[in-house]
Amino acid sequence: SQTIHQWPATLVQPVGSPLSLECTVEGTSNPNLYWYRQAAGRGLQLLFYSVGIGQISSEVPQNLSASRPQDRQFILSSKKLLLSDSGFYLCASEQHSQKLFFGSGTQLSVL
Amino acid sequence: DQQVKQNSPSLSVQEGRISILNCDYTNSMFDYFLWYKKYPAEGPTFLISISSIKDKNEDGRFTVFLNKSAKHLSLHIVPSQPGDSAVYFCAASASTGTSYGKLTFGQGTILTVHP
Repeated sequence: SQTIHQWPATLVQPVGSPLSLECTVEGTSNPNLYWYRQAAGRGLQLLFYSVGIGQISSEVPQNLSASRPQDRQFILSSKKLLLSDSGFYLCASEQHSQKLFFGSGTQLSVL
Repeated sequence: DQQVKQNSPSLSVQEGRISILNCDYTNSMFDYFLWYKKYPAEGPTFLISISSIKDKNEDGRFTVFLNKSAKHLSLHIVPSQPGDSAVYFCAASASTGTSYGKLTFGQGTILTVHP
């Protein structure tokens, strides 16, 4: 079965600082990859998805960007963090199925 | 616009009794529905799903019911156990394109099962 590795588990960053969250996937090849965010008191919101290397689709306009430099690597970035970027970030993977496998998440606090 | 809604933020149930978690949706294009379970500081894990061609799907203690005309689904847990205490997310998707994991999630319901 698939294993999703995400790091770090928690991160505290000042406003205006850059961000890089990394996600790697094991146990599958050519997966579709996703970045979701859960803001406080809200459901999970899809931010980006990728169907292949270098292919990124953004679901909502925001201060973040994503990249997929390798088949099983997905990176979430920002040049300058905002307070509103705080939340719980989840990487997810699926392979031609609606059953997503999620990583353990990164709790980001922007202060 | 919240296309998937879980109107109960929390639910408290006695061990051994039934837990019923509810979910409503508005998008008639949704044709596949899932429930995920999430423990604190962990990612959600898949629990059970149902396609719109069915109205019931059962897996052990977990049963999901779908009422398409009412755009409503529910998750029944019988009997409830303390280990079931977690946040439960309802999710929905429309089977279009190649990105099957584009799910729309509800806000979640915190289930607490008391011994």
